[in-house]
Amino acid sequence: GAVVSQHPSRVICKSGTSVKIECRSLDFQATTMFWYRQFPKKSLMLMATSNEGSKATYEQGVEKDKFLINHASLTLSTLTVTSAHPEDSSFYICSAPKGASGRGRTDTQYFGPGTRLTVL
Amino acid sequence: AQKVTQAQTEISVVEKEDVTLDCVYETRDTTYYLFWYKQPPSGELVFLIRRNSFDEQNEISGRYSWNFQKSTSSFNFTITASQVVDSAVYFCALSEAWPNSGYSTLTFGKGTMLLVSP
Repeated sequence: GAVVSQHPSRVICKSGTSVKIECRSLDFQATTMFWYRQFPKKSLMLMATSNEGSKATYEQGVEKDKFLINHASLTLSTLTVTSAHPEDSSFYICSAPKGASGRGRTDTQYFGPGTRLTVL
Repeated sequence: AQKVTQAQTEISVVEKEDVTLDCVYETRDTTYYLFWYKQPPSGELVFLIRRNSFDEQNEISGRYSWNFQKSTSSFNFTITASQVVDSAVYFCALSEAWPNSGYSTLTFGKGTMLLVSP
């Protein structure tokens, strides 16, 4: 069964509004989660690493003020797309590492079902 | 820097045919992990396999098999007797085994879209 959930699965919003996407690890703790963005027929692009209890680490070229990440608990990370514009329309996917210990730095990443954001 | 190349952008086969998806990687690390993920039309990435660079044994899981050749830096994926439900985008990925800090991140290939027709 699924080990990582995401909500919502789809969202349509008007330009200028903010959208929050939740990523939850199910039945395990994840001190770290990852946020990816995927354009149609393209590969996954890592946006940022979400860290529980500390600031997120953003990849080069990703605006941290545009994509706010909050790792609220050991099972929840949120990505807020602020003042969304049509160019932010994309498929956003989160992942959480899960292994035998649950806190291994090289545990396998399990992915959420993704959120399709459409900004009008 | 790490790099994963999936040269096949799209493959079309007829049901029951065998199909091999190629993956070639580049890394300076001596220890690393290789992965395959499946992304069906629904969008969710499904974990298929993880392979440690020390373990070159090939693996078989039902109709799926993986051929890891360290000498050629390849980690190919074969589906035997393909089915329509195998239609998806398949991603090969690489991660370092000993990250300097934090968690090891995944480097993805561009994916191969597999279309299996009845």
